[in-house]
Amino acid sequence: EVQLVESGGGFIQPGRSLRLSCTASGFTFGDYAMSWVRQAPGKGLEWVGFIRSKTYGGTTEYAASVRGRFTVSRDDTKSTAYLQVNSLKTEDTAVYYCTGDCGSDGCRGFGYWGQGTLVTVSS
Amino acid sequence: DIVMTQSPDSLAVSLGERATINCKSSQSVLYSSNNKNRLAWYQQKPGQPPKLLIYWASTRESGVPDRFTGSGSGTDFTLTISSLQAEDVAVYYCQQYYSPLRTFGQGTKVEIK
Repeated sequence: EVQLVESGGGFIQPGRSLRLSCTASGFTFGDYAMSWVRQAPGKGLEWVGFIRSKTYGGTTEYAASVRGRFTVSRDDTKSTAYLQVNSLKTEDTAVYYCTGDCGSDGCRGFGYWGQGTLVTVSS
Repeated sequence: DIVMTQSPDSLAVSLGERATINCKSSQSVLYSSNNKNRLAWYQQKPGQPPKLLIYWASTRESGVPDRFTGSGSGTDFTLTISSLQAEDVAVYYCQQYYSPLRTFGQGTKVEIK
């Protein structure tokens, strides 16, 4: 059974930093690009960034709204993806989901999702 | 960035009737190397993560009921629920994965009339 478990969310003051983790099981993590998607309370889905698999260079892409403040990384030995979020703003308050992106069998949308971790940015 | 625009923002349909959601991309998402559209549809129920329904614009994910059908190509796409069931009440999102900068539509809320 595929599982993605996010952790690291919580209540944090504006301007501070946080690192979110996403631990995977049930599939060959290293073969997949991993994306992060967030959802502000009562709002829609916003893709924030992803990291390619090592096969494709392990490079990253980011939405313009977070570029320069957010960093996605991965540790394939731990089957874990990370989202480093810096200089947090109140508008970063959201549930953050990690998802499986393109895999060894190609790109088929986001078939795997975690349950999400809530980040609340407030003074 | 590729902008995804869904219509309508919400719709109310009677049980057993058809629901149709449209999605338009600001540029083509047709992937030339395999002639497939990099367009997915998701269903999200309250308090749950999204669930992949359709990928490649028209391929149903394993386990998805056949009342869900995706169609379209290039820049215009449609998700059809042929006979709405109570459990289909949810918000539906389209998403393009053609560009490395993935983007979602704003969502369409489907309710029972």
